[in-house]
Amino acid sequence: DAGITQSPRHKVTETGTPVTLRCHQTENHRYMYWYRQDPGHGLRLIHYSYGVKDTDKGEVSDGYSVSRSKTEDFLLTLESATSSQTSVYFCATLAGEYNEQFFGPGTRLTVL
Amino acid sequence: QKEVEQDPGPLSVPEGAIVSLNCTYSNSAFQYFMWYRQYSRKGPELLMYTYSSGNKEDGRFTAQVDKSSKYISLFIRDSQPSDSATYLCAITAAGNKLTFGGGTRVLVKP
Repeated sequence: DAGITQSPRHKVTETGTPVTLRCHQTENHRYMYWYRQDPGHGLRLIHYSYGVKDTDKGEVSDGYSVSRSKTEDFLLTLESATSSQTSVYFCATLAGEYNEQFFGPGTRLTVL
Repeated sequence: QKEVEQDPGPLSVPEGAIVSLNCTYSNSAFQYFMWYRQYSRKGPELLMYTYSSGNKEDGRFTAQVDKSSKYISLFIRDSQPSDSATYLCAITAAGNKLTFGGGTRVLVKP
């Protein structure tokens, strides 16, 4: 258990509304990641962070922004949610003997 | 073409059978290979890690890598109903960014 929590765990929202998902870790890991998981696509990287205020885009970053003002928190924001952003969102951190990624429990987001 | 291809399944086997899973990849720069297991409505968890061609065993699990063919496999011996999950391969060149396959759903029937 890498001490990762995600909030909220479930959210239903309407198209056009802003949404912020939070990832919190207690292990002081430097790298943090946001993925989305959809049937047929597996896990796809949205954004990642390699330190406070240091972030970079992943393969599916359009429509998403991130912020990391503290080591322990990594926020994912959908500025104006669309139905195509309905998905399960996972946060992860990088640690361990093999630089493996540890995942949070996920947030299930539905955009109506 | 996706960088990492994985058959989505589902793969249904009787309890005690060998489960065989595989992924193919296209980028020869990939050097590190992982298998994650994901139970329904949970986050993925690391199952196996390897960085060289050949076999690696851990209990009932064997990971196999063939870099010349860009092909990786996971075998589960003496499968149990508790092995029912989605298995994702993950591959990386540098270690801090992973590329995942789409996952294979496995169902082990008692």
